[in-house]
Amino acid sequence: KQEVTQIPAALSVPEGENLVLNCSFTDSAIYNLQWFRQDPGKGLTSLLLIQSSQREQTSGRLNASLDKSSGRSTLYIAASQPGDSATYLCAVRVQTGANNLFFGTGTRLTVIP
Amino acid sequence: GAGVSQSPSNKVTEKGKDVELRCDPISGHTALYWYRQSLGQGLEFLIYFQGNSAPDKSGLPSDRFSAERTGGSVSTLTIQRTQQEDSAVYLCASSLEGTSGGATQYFGPGTRLTVL
Repeated sequence: KQEVTQIPAALSVPEGENLVLNCSFTDSAIYNLQWFRQDPGKGLTSLLLIQSSQREQTSGRLNASLDKSSGRSTLYIAASQPGDSATYLCAVRVQTGANNLFFGTGTRLTVIP
Repeated sequence: GAGVSQSPSNKVTEKGKDVELRCDPISGHTALYWYRQSLGQGLEFLIYFQGNSAPDKSGLPSDRFSAERTGGSVSTLTIQRTQQEDSAVYLCASSLEGTSGGATQYFGPGTRLTVL
């Protein structure tokens, strides 16, 4: 069964810093990997989706990379802002069985003004 | 356009009662998913619909849980004889899915269920 791990579980940084969130998964047979943010009491907002054939995706200050062979992905956030404070989740979709996502437990990010 | 909507947003019920949770997916999305997020735990997959059929029910935690989807649109998740361990946020997602399984899933705001 696919297992997804995120490190660190929580992170606090001063405003303006660049930061990296890590995600690892045990089964490299994936369709894609998706990064989400979750704000307290809210649903999930999709940030970036990387197909298995891709190495990275960029959106604004966010850059996500994927190394499928080693089972790793990183989410890079440049010039962090207090509005970036949220829980960041990575999820992978495997190539077998259902089309469901396997989620990590998330990294809770706090950007201090 | 309109996103995924869920109702109710909050539900408090007594142990042993039945509850129904509703999900309205994005119009035209063929695939619909239910997930559960328990306190301190990650999101766990419950069930997946392609159209009105559910090819994978493996995530349903017990036979007290059931779900249906009608008209390729609205879905309801029913929990019978609720237990305190059913307390969680129930999230619904939809996607425009072909057979390759690579589309983005869009999530609703969730229903927070509390079983007293």
